[in-house]
Amino acid sequence: AQSVSQHNHHVILSEAASLELGCNYSYGGTVNLFWYVQYPGQHLQLLLKYFSGDPLVKGIKGFEAEFIKSKFSFNLRKPSVQWSDTAEYFCAVNPNDYKLSFGAGTTVTVRA
Amino acid sequence: ETGVTQTPRHLVMGMTNKKSLKCEQHLGHNAMYWYKQSAKKPLELMFVYSLEERVENNSVPSRFSPECPNSSHLFLHLHTLQPEDSALYLCASSQAAASYNEQFFGPGTRLTVL
Repeated sequence: AQSVSQHNHHVILSEAASLELGCNYSYGGTVNLFWYVQYPGQHLQLLLKYFSGDPLVKGIKGFEAEFIKSKFSFNLRKPSVQWSDTAEYFCAVNPNDYKLSFGAGTTVTVRA
Repeated sequence: ETGVTQTPRHLVMGMTNKKSLKCEQHLGHNAMYWYKQSAKKPLELMFVYSLEERVENNSVPSRFSPECPNSSHLFLHLHTLQPEDSALYLCASSQAAASYNEQFFGPGTRLTVL
């Protein structure tokens, strides 16, 4: 079955540490890729997206993600996290229709 | 303000009850979606409406019945639910039902079935 895998269920790190969250998908062909974030008590919101072009995508709040087609991966990174980055992060893949498939999410806890 | 509102935010119902979830989008979008979010599981797409027509029914049991009276409003009618239906139900909208359109999500309705 086609799926989206997020490797880490829960990541705990200190402020100023670097963050990388893994995302792999199993769809073949062209895909559109998204990272969504859900801060505590808030709704899901878009962090960044990739459709085509430069495989290194920059999003809001200093986040970036790199699309590596050969590895079917779209990993999320931030060089230096802040306490306010504590949230749940979801990778999502849209294989050329309207059906957005989500990973199970990674909870990130940043300790002050 | 997200632009997508959902009511109620919390709902507790018995298995014999009938209730409805409401979603409203203020973004002028043409596509609306219902998702189910269960603990530690990926979001599951339930229904998709494009220009008020249902374009996707993702093998959802008939005890869930969607309604889209216009492009701004989406309902999910619930009847004879099971305890395993307890979850967070999210509504989303997008400009169109297309792969390149960002989906905007509401805050969700936390449903508990007793």
